[in-house]
Amino acid sequence: DAKTTQPPSMDCAEGRAANLPCNHSTISGNEYVYWYRQIHSQGPQYIIHGLKNNETNEMASLIITEDRKSSTLILPHATLRDTAVYYCIVKFGGSQGNLIFGKGTKLSVKP
Amino acid sequence: SQTIHQWPATLVQPVGSPLSLECTVEGTSNPNLYWYRQAAGRGLQLLFYSVGIGQISSEVPQNLSASRPQDRQFILSSKKLLLSDSGFYLCAWSTTGWNQPQHFGDGTRLSIL
Repeated sequence: DAKTTQPPSMDCAEGRAANLPCNHSTISGNEYVYWYRQIHSQGPQYIIHGLKNNETNEMASLIITEDRKSSTLILPHATLRDTAVYYCIVKFGGSQGNLIFGKGTKLSVKP
Repeated sequence: SQTIHQWPATLVQPVGSPLSLECTVEGTSNPNLYWYRQAAGRGLQLLFYSVGIGQISSEVPQNLSASRPQDRQFILSSKKLLLSDSGFYLCAWSTTGWNQPQHFGDGTRLSIL
């Protein structure tokens, strides 16, 4: 079972920031938070991951609360192509598998 | 940069027929390789992973098998397909090392008739 809780759907206006929340209240000290997204009929796309510090890359920013029980993925300027299902995943960094994808958040970016 | 290729993109097979899906990675050496299956409307299920040539770990017992004949090649096979083998099969790779993310191919949509 997924260790994360996400809202089933969200809307965002094109050009605005999309803030996707994730609750992972049972996360342990050596588990990382990973974010992926999946556009229909394609493979999941890696976005970003982090342990306890905030992270930023060319796609997004990841804000992890100090107690690590929740995080927020921020897409700074959402475009129509960002419409996808976004998955927040908690995984022990050293394990060989297994990314457990929950139901994710369906983000709809609207013009 | 690294790329991952899966083929075919779509496959329709009769029950009882054999299966061979291929995945190759370019631009990296000695990657970890993974096969996942995604049933319709459900999450991903890890089937196999490999940390090197000839080294395969199976996560779920079934009528599928995997092989890694070369460093950057991963093959998913079956001798006799079942109706329950229908699904979206995804190959992924990661570099070795702590916390490295997995990167997925575009998948093969397999329908069993």
